[in-house]
Amino acid sequence: DVKVTQSSRYLVKRTGEKVFLECVQDMDHENMFWYRQDPGLGLRLIYFSYDVKMKEKGDIPEGYSVSREKKERFSLILESASTNQTSMYLCASSLTGEGHNEQFFGPGTRLTVL
Amino acid sequence: LAKTTQPISMDSYEGQEVNITCSHNNIATNDYITWYQQFPSQGPRFIIQGYKTKVTNEVASLFIPADRKSSTLSLPRVSLSDTAVYYCLVGAWEDTPLVFGKGTRLSVIA
Repeated sequence: DVKVTQSSRYLVKRTGEKVFLECVQDMDHENMFWYRQDPGLGLRLIYFSYDVKMKEKGDIPEGYSVSREKKERFSLILESASTNQTSMYLCASSLTGEGHNEQFFGPGTRLTVL
Repeated sequence: LAKTTQPISMDSYEGQEVNITCSHNNIATNDYITWYQQFPSQGPRFIIQGYKTKVTNEVASLFIPADRKSSTLSLPRVSLSDTAVYYCLVGAWEDTPLVFGKGTRLSVIA
């Protein structure tokens, strides 16, 4: 059973703080993704990675960076948190290959920036 | 990637069959149609995928007409626990990642 875990379910940070959101998957998936979800806006892709040390910008990368030093771990970094980054953050992973683009999601981290 | 259009919200009573239609006029030959379900405070989860005609599993059925320009997710005899957001995604297996969009919010009423 595929499992994607995120380091925190709820997080409260102050404006200007550096924030790390961690995601770990246990099924040896090549691809990992970070989304944010806001009411009325659906899921928006921030960054994704298709291999260790590789990253690609999604639709809304501004204000975020990512790190993938190990295959199973994908970190989202908010260099200087701002109130407009208050959101639900969802991590996902998927395999590469024919018939394998199903994404498996973690439970999400609800981040509040004060 | 083909653009999809689906209703923003739907309401249904318990025990009814619910059909959610997704339009994807620009679907390409290699594209599959995939539906995800997202319960409140959880991440989305895959429920069904198809290429043409009809696909059925323990959760839902997916109907795809011959021209493949639309698809319909059918949920038989819904219960309160089917209240969720349902996303229609279109793309080929090598398209990573697919675009989720805003989905259809289904509310099931007792």
